[in-house]
Amino acid sequence: GAGVSQSPSNKVTEKGKDVELRCDPISGHTALYWYRQSLGQGLEFLIYFQGNSAPDKSGLPSDRFSAERTGGSVSTLTIQRTQQEDSAVYLCASSLFATDTGELFFGEGSRLTVL
Amino acid sequence: GESVGLHLPTLSVQEGDNSIINCAYSNSASDYFIWYKQESGKGPQFIIDIRSNMDKRQGQRVTVLLNKTVKHLSLQIAATQPGDSAVYFCAEISDSSYKLIFGSGTRLLVRP
Repeated sequence: GAGVSQSPSNKVTEKGKDVELRCDPISGHTALYWYRQSLGQGLEFLIYFQGNSAPDKSGLPSDRFSAERTGGSVSTLTIQRTQQEDSAVYLCASSLFATDTGELFFGEGSRLTVL
Repeated sequence: GESVGLHLPTLSVQEGDNSIINCAYSNSASDYFIWYKQESGKGPQFIIDIRSNMDKRQGQRVTVLLNKTVKHLSLQIAATQPGDSAVYFCAEISDSSYKLIFGSGTRLLVRP
């Protein structure tokens, strides 16, 4: 597709389970970002990739969160031993380059609900 | 699906009126500012941007104003339409960073 694609769109899981969220960026975009959006809140930066490297992981909330990117394309955000406070919409965005311009292209997000 | 922004500040305007959405930013080193629009169930969408060497920038029906003295940003929407109903976020970035930092958002409701 032409846009950023995220899957699953909705995920309901039980506390303590692991989840994987996937992001397919726009083809050719070298920069990829993960944000988290809790209900009624703004977007919280999690991690950024330039190619397959993640220069900044400082936004990851805890060591239960990890992300990887392979082939300079698809990225996976993994949350281990999920907690109820992990419930949120996880948004992925990509841009052609990692520049100081703010024109990120966002996917529609993966809504995670931890029971 | 459930809307984002249920607990956000809300601006309600009559269709056809002008809307002004305000945002205060905190980082004096930020030199690039962007407004995003987020409709229910969708990801944010870029609207307009402005660099710190400018005070005003106009787009189609939208104008962004920047007051660096008081660290304030505003988005003006002319002749507001029902399709403008959404949550609006300001975002900032500094020249030395790639990290886009979002504000908390304002919900715009357009009354027919």
